[in-house]
Amino acid sequence: DTGVSQNPRHKITKRGQNVTFRCDPISEHNRLYWYRQTLGQGPEFLTYFQNEAQLEKSRLLSDRFSAERPKGSFSTLEIQRTEQGDSAMYLCASSLAGVQPQHFGDGTRLSIL
Amino acid sequence: AQSVAQPEDQVNVAEGNPLTVKCTYSVSGNPYLFWYVQYPNRGLQFLLKYITGDNLVKGSYGFEAEFNKSQTSFHLKKPSALVSDYALYFCAVRDTGTYKYIFGTGTRLKVLA
Repeated sequence: DTGVSQNPRHKITKRGQNVTFRCDPISEHNRLYWYRQTLGQGPEFLTYFQNEAQLEKSRLLSDRFSAERPKGSFSTLEIQRTEQGDSAMYLCASSLAGVQPQHFGDGTRLSIL
Repeated sequence: AQSVAQPEDQVNVAEGNPLTVKCTYSVSGNPYLFWYVQYPNRGLQFLLKYITGDNLVKGSYGFEAEFNKSQTSFHLKKPSALVSDYALYFCAVRDTGTYKYIFGTGTRLKVLA
């Protein structure tokens, strides 16, 4: 299967720890998105990359959150000093250029103890 | 600011009956509109999109959606519901001039056998 891959699927950590998630998009897709989804809500936009450039970032994204896509391929999302409110499903999606459908991974579920 | 509203948390329909899942939007420019479906513990899957042209858009799994500019709506429809259509459905909008997608809160579709 050559879909969007996210690792790990589930991360449990203690409050205050740092966590990093990885997303491997579909190989020919130059656009990559990160979203956060909490129970009963739709995906909430976090950030967007076109190739290696981070072109848009939500104002809701605090300084504890950072994302990279160093070579325009895979991407990482890091959360520093995790808080209870960070517990959520983190979704990655990729797409071709233009107004094209986003292909989503199955997400990383973050649980903060 | 762009926004999406899905007024129904849940829609119940009998198997074989037509279904409608409602979505209204607000954007400053011309909207790009999407419907996605989400199965438990999975990422979202693309169903259909509207960019321009014919107001009736056909998509995957027999779903279609009708764009109505005057009512700023983009309702999802299917002529005959299947039990396998049971899932969470999300409407999304992207405004022209931005890469940011806004998702609705989702509507759970329950199909009664």
